[in-house]
Amino acid sequence: AQKVTQAQTEISVVEKEDVTLDCVYETRDTTYYLFWYKQPPSGELVFLIRRNSFDEQNEISGRYSWNFQKSTSSFNFTITASQVVDSAVYFCALSGITTSGTYKYIFGTGTRLKVLA
Amino acid sequence: GAVVSQHPSWVICKSGTSVKIECRSLDFQATTMFWYRQFPKQSLMLMATSNEGSKATYEQGVEKDKFLINHASLTLSTLTVTSAHPEDSSFYICSAERQGDLYTDTQYFGPGTRLTVL
Repeated sequence: AQKVTQAQTEISVVEKEDVTLDCVYETRDTTYYLFWYKQPPSGELVFLIRRNSFDEQNEISGRYSWNFQKSTSSFNFTITASQVVDSAVYFCALSGITTSGTYKYIFGTGTRLKVLA
Repeated sequence: GAVVSQHPSWVICKSGTSVKIECRSLDFQATTMFWYRQFPKQSLMLMATSNEGSKATYEQGVEKDKFLINHASLTLSTLTVTSAHPEDSSFYICSAERQGDLYTDTQYFGPGTRLTVL
C-alpha cells in the first residue's frame, strides 16, 4: 500500500530560524512522483516542487531546499531563514498508479508551521 | 499558466438542498480532474477522479449518488452535493491535470469551496 507520513503535526519557530519538515513515504512502485504543497490560511494549495523517483538530486529554490533520499524513503523540506509569511500547512504527497491504472495523489496529514515574529 | 478556479468560493445552504460546485481550468485543457474533501485541520481526501466524457471513478466509501460529478468538457467539472446534510459541511477542492502533462502527474489545484450546511 502507498502511504505518506508527516510525523510533525505542528512546528513553531522564531523568524529567521531554519526549519525542516519531514516526509516519509511507502510505495512498491518503481516510478513515482513526490510533491510538496503549501496551504496558507486562505486554503488554496500552492505547488512547491515535484520530484520523480529517478532523480535524487537535491534542489534549492531561494530559501527552500529539498532532500530526497530513496534509501530512507524520505523527501524532507527545509526553509532557511524562515519568515512569518511561511506560516502555513505544508503537505507532502506521493503520486502512484492505482490498480485501475490511473494516477492519484496520496497526501500526508500535513505539518502546520508557525513562524513567530 | 495552469490556473484552476472554483465557484462558488463559499456557500451556505439549508439541509436537504443540493449544491453545485464548479471547477474550471482557465488556461489549459484538463484531461483529468480530481475532487477532494478536507475537514478542518486534516489532510485532503480524494473523493473521485473524472475524465472528460466518461463516468467518474469514486474512491471507496464515497457515495456516488450523494456526490454527483460531471466532467462535460476539457475545462469544466462539476460536483453536486445532493440532499446536503450538516455532515457534508467541508472544504471541497478540485484539481486538474494538464493535457500534455501525462507523464509528470502534476495536479493544479483550485482555491477550494467551503460548504456549510445548516
